[in-house]
Amino acid sequence: EAQVTQNPRYLITVTGKKLTVTCSQNMNHEYMSWYRQDPGLGLRQIYYSMNVEVTDKGDVPEGYKVSRKEKRNFPLILESPSPNQTSLYFCASSSQTGGRPQHFGDGTRLSIL
Amino acid sequence: GQNIDQPTEMTATEGAIVQINCTYQTSGFNGLFWYQQHAGEAPTFLSYNVLDGLEEKGRFSSFLSRSKGYSYLLLKELQMKDSASYLCAALSGTYKYIFGTGTRLKVLA
Repeated sequence: EAQVTQNPRYLITVTGKKLTVTCSQNMNHEYMSWYRQDPGLGLRQIYYSMNVEVTDKGDVPEGYKVSRKEKRNFPLILESPSPNQTSLYFCASSSQTGGRPQHFGDGTRLSIL
Repeated sequence: GQNIDQPTEMTATEGAIVQINCTYQTSGFNGLFWYQQHAGEAPTFLSYNVLDGLEEKGRFSSFLSRSKGYSYLLLKELQMKDSASYLCAALSGTYKYIFGTGTRLKVLA
């Protein structure tokens, strides 16, 4: 089954404790992206990757890091999480862009205390 | 700047037709997407327009006017399961997506 898998689905942690949210897709997609979704603000793009070893900043990259060492994986790293990063996070992938629909993972709900 | 506007909430009756509007100001505009998101779930793709005009897909249609920076999603024969948020998203250039805040649609029996 074609899917985008995120882990963990839920996490409560404390300020400053490094964490990684993993994202994996099995569709051989070139393009992958991370979003955060906050009430009243909608989905905002954090980082995206056009292919292996190629990444770029979205609209809200501060406090986040990403890497794309393999085509299927695109982890999101919070080196020193802060409460303002409490949010619902979605990973998405598509075969290139320019009109290709994105497939979204089920989301990761992060609470930073 | 980059901006997308859509109504926050709409209500319609089962069996009716509803139109959800979206206006955008996006540099390097390269297409407009609509996604459906049920509460607590991931967004799922509905439609894509890059040229002016209407795209029809079953009960759902989407329209784009590039000169006006305007799109709408038309839902016909509304069903209870259509109660969800509808997200308008513009592709800026090749890789950057700008999403609206979403329109929460309530379908009443």
